[in-house]
Amino acid sequence: AQSVTQPDIHITVSEGASLELRCNYSYGATPYLFWYVQSPGQGLQLLLKYFSGDTLVQGIKGFEAEFKRSQSSFNLRKPSVHWSDAAEYFCAVNPGSSNTGKLIFGQGTTLQVKP
Amino acid sequence: NAGVTQTPKFRILKIGQSMTLQCAQDMNHNYMYWYRQDPGMGLKLIYYSVGAGITDKGEVPNGYNVSRSTTEDFPLRLELAAPSQTSVYFCASSYSIARGGGLVEAFFGQGTRLTVV
Repeated sequence: AQSVTQPDIHITVSEGASLELRCNYSYGATPYLFWYVQSPGQGLQLLLKYFSGDTLVQGIKGFEAEFKRSQSSFNLRKPSVHWSDAAEYFCAVNPGSSNTGKLIFGQGTTLQVKP
Repeated sequence: NAGVTQTPKFRILKIGQSMTLQCAQDMNHNYMYWYRQDPGMGLKLIYYSVGAGITDKGEVPNGYNVSRSTTEDFPLRLELAAPSQTSVYFCASSYSIARGGGLVEAFFGQGTRLTVV
């Protein structure tokens, strides 16, 4: 069955430090890949997405993600974290052949930023 | 441009009561979805619709019903509320499917926090 795993439930980093959030997926072909962010009490906002082409994708708020086919991973990175980045982050995949737009989400990673 | 609007934002229900969670989008999207979010579980798909008059079950449909009479609206109905339905519910819509069937982007509402007591 298709699945998405975010191994880290909770991560704490200091402001200004670099960040990497891990995401692994289980799917036979290359799916469409997404990272969403959810601030407290808010809906989900798209950070970035990968469909094909360059495996390093740039998103909003200074985030980037790298698709690695050999590792079935799509890790999210940011060189220098700001206090406003504290939120919950979700990796999601859409099987490209589904024709329905359904998303399969990982469990989420909560990011805490220390001053 | 309001995007995806969900009402109410909060609701407390007693066991056995019924209610409808409203979702409306003003982006003329064909595809709409209902997800529920539980702590540590991510979001799970309840129902989805690929167009007016067409709905289908997602991963966790039991205890819910939907209808899609217009492109704009996609209400979610809980007939007999149970404590297991305590959750945060998100409605989403998407505007196109890429060549080959893939999702381009989904837009989410602010969520409805439901507590069943």
